Amino acid sequence: GAGVSQSPRYKVTKRGQDVALRCDPISGHVSLYWYRQALGQGPEFLTYFNYEAQQDKSGLPNDRFSAERPEGSISTLTIQRTEQRDSAMYRCASSSQTGTMFPYEQYFGPGTRLTVT
Amino acid sequence: AQSVTQLDSQVPVFEEAPVELRCNYSSSVSVYLFWYVQYPNQGLQLLLKYLSGSTLVKGINGFEAEFNKSQTSFHLRKPSVHISDTAEYFCAVSGYAGGTSYGKLTFGQGTILTVHP
Repeated sequence: GAGVSQSPRYKVTKRGQDVALRCDPISGHVSLYWYRQALGQGPEFLTYFNYEAQQDKSGLPNDRFSAERPEGSISTLTIQRTEQRDSAMYRCASSSQTGTMFPYEQYFGPGTRLTVT
Repeated sequence: AQSVTQLDSQVPVFEEAPVELRCNYSSSVSVYLFWYVQYPNQGLQLLLKYLSGSTLVKGINGFEAEFNKSQTSFHLRKPSVHISDTAEYFCAVSGYAGGTSYGKLTFGQGTILTVHP
C-alpha cells in the first residue's frame, strides 16, 4: 500500500514568508509525528498527534511554528515569518497505535526540504 | 529526558568486511532502542529494534545489534557488508514510564557508512 507522503518535496521561500508543509499518513494510522532534521544531524522531535488531538508540542521551537490535524488524517505544519535558521528537512512519520506498552513502528515520509533565503 | 550519541560520524569500510556502528544513550527512564537507515532521497527505514527479552536483536539486511544496559550501548553490527549498505544510519531511543509509550523518538547525529569495492 501507499506509504507516508509529504508535499511539497522541496520548498524555497524568502525570509518573512509563511509556509505550510503537508503530511499524508498511511491510511488508518492514528499517530502522527513531525520531526526536523538539520544538515548533518539526526531528526529532532517537533510534535505528536493522536487522532486529531495534539498530545505533545514540546519540540516546537517557538510560537511561529504550529501544526494541526483537524480530521485525524492529513496534517499541516505551518511556519510563520520564516527565518534562515528554519532551513532544514521536515519529516513526518505515522504509526498504527499508541499509548500501549510497546511502541509501534513509525513509518517515515521522504521529507520536505525547506530553504529560506 | 533522553540523549543519544553516535561515536563515529563517518565509517569507511571495504566490501565483505565486518562493520560496527557505535551508539550510546542516556536516559532518566527506561528506553526502547532502534536503528534506522536512510538512503539518499528516501525516508528513514527501521532496521531493527530492542523492546524487551534477548539483548541480541536481528534486523533486516543481515544487521544485528546488542543492547548492553550496564554500558548504555546499542551497537550495530554486520559481519560482511555490501556496496548496497552505503547509507546513513541513525540510532534512536524512545523513553517510557508508567507502562505506556507513545513512541516519541530521540535520534543520534547519524553515522555515514561508505562501503568501497
